[in-house]
Amino acid sequence: EIVMTQSPATLSVSPGERATLSCRASQSVSSNLAWYQQKPGQAPRLLIYGASTRATGIPARFSGSGSGTEFTLTINSLQSEDFAVYYCQQYNNWPPGYTFGQGTKLEIK
Amino acid sequence: EVQLVESGGGLVQPGGSLRLSCAASGFTFSSYWMSWVRQAPGKGLEWVANIKEGGSEKYYVDSVKGRFTISRDNAKNSLYLQMNSLRAEDTAVYYCARETMVRGVSAFDYWGQGTLVTVSS
Repeated sequence: EIVMTQSPATLSVSPGERATLSCRASQSVSSNLAWYQQKPGQAPRLLIYGASTRATGIPARFSGSGSGTEFTLTINSLQSEDFAVYYCQQYNNWPPGYTFGQGTKLEIK
Repeated sequence: EVQLVESGGGLVQPGGSLRLSCAASGFTFSSYWMSWVRQAPGKGLEWVANIKEGGSEKYYVDSVKGRFTISRDNAKNSLYLQMNSLRAEDTAVYYCARETMVRGVSAFDYWGQGTLVTVSS
């Protein structure tokens, strides 16, 4: 089983600044990596898939990078609506299935 | 507009059963793999199960194998999760999610609002 580890658990950043979130896989997942944003009481929202492709309607200030075992989500010029919990997720080709990281809470500094 | 609406959650005793439903609209339901994803109170996300477009393939996380059954009715644009032998650790919000596959990469591009399942005596 592939384990996804996100760091840090909590990240405090001021509005307007840049946030960098990390996700590490216990073994290579190639580019089968997605990022989600979740706000309290809401369902997750897909931000990035294929490690670096923004989903439909996602602002350009969100960017993803990495491959293999190390991945990064960068959010430039933080807006008030960006403070939320972020999850990374990998996809197994076989056996088919998904694994999420434990999440990073992005809070206002 | 793509919509996924879950129903069927509630309070159930340990060892009991519950059937969740997800009504899909706004897209060709029969053309997509579908998943159930759950989130225990205050915890992270956990993928539970998925099912192929026509229903011929189904996969589960180890913790629910033999207890949960995913199914679909493409004529009714509906996804289901039959949950038996429920345990306290199954308490969670259960989300229905659509899988999208682009150039061999898969992710969940649409989610329902979730339905809460509470297993308690």
